[in-house]
Amino acid sequence: AQTVTQSQPEMSVQEAETVTLSCTYDTSENNYYLFWYKQPPSRQMILVIRQEAYKQQNATENRFSVNFQKAAKSFSLKISDSQLGDTAMYFCAFIWYNNNDMRFGAGTRLTVKP
Amino acid sequence: NAGVMQNPRHLVRRRGQEARLRCSPMKGHSHVYWYRQLPEEGLKFMVYLQKENIIDESGMPKERFSAEFPKEGPSILRIQQVVRGDSAAYFCASSPRQVTDTQYFGPGTRLTVL
Repeated sequence: AQTVTQSQPEMSVQEAETVTLSCTYDTSENNYYLFWYKQPPSRQMILVIRQEAYKQQNATENRFSVNFQKAAKSFSLKISDSQLGDTAMYFCAFIWYNNNDMRFGAGTRLTVKP
Repeated sequence: NAGVMQNPRHLVRRRGQEARLRCSPMKGHSHVYWYRQLPEEGLKFMVYLQKENIIDESGMPKERFSAEFPKEGPSILRIQQVVRGDSAAYFCASSPRQVTDTQYFGPGTRLTVL
């Protein structure tokens, strides 16, 4: 079964500090893609970062970076210099080649405290 | 370039009525996806369409739900004879070429069934 697990339902961090959100997935596929999406209180789903499984280099997008461990099937998101606007639900998602069904984790609710 | 548009943002229906949710993909995108999000859960894939074709409806309930993406106009998700369990947020996403392209999400339609 292709599943995504986010083991932290809620997290909090002080403004300007760093926080890491965890995500693990289960698949027998070799060619797949991983994503982190952010859902703020407006409920809009916003792409944060994308990683192709065939790339060894970890994706980075400004203050957001991932630690992709393919063998461990782990895909954590690090947010540096946290800002109040980072407060949101964060969803890890996974889709594999030749499949149409993007799988989402249950989400982690992140609160950035002033 | 406008993002993915969905309307209405909020829809209230009584049990037994029909709900029609609309989605206009980003300009240049020919692939549309519908997802459902129940409270405090991640998104669940429902259906994947290209212009005039349903490619994968494996996530769609077999009864009462249908989707289309006509040659002209928005994609429509139609729910007939709604029940309280249909209350959820329904998100549409689009991508330019194929499912493993990044999917960009609309703001969602929150359906409430009274």
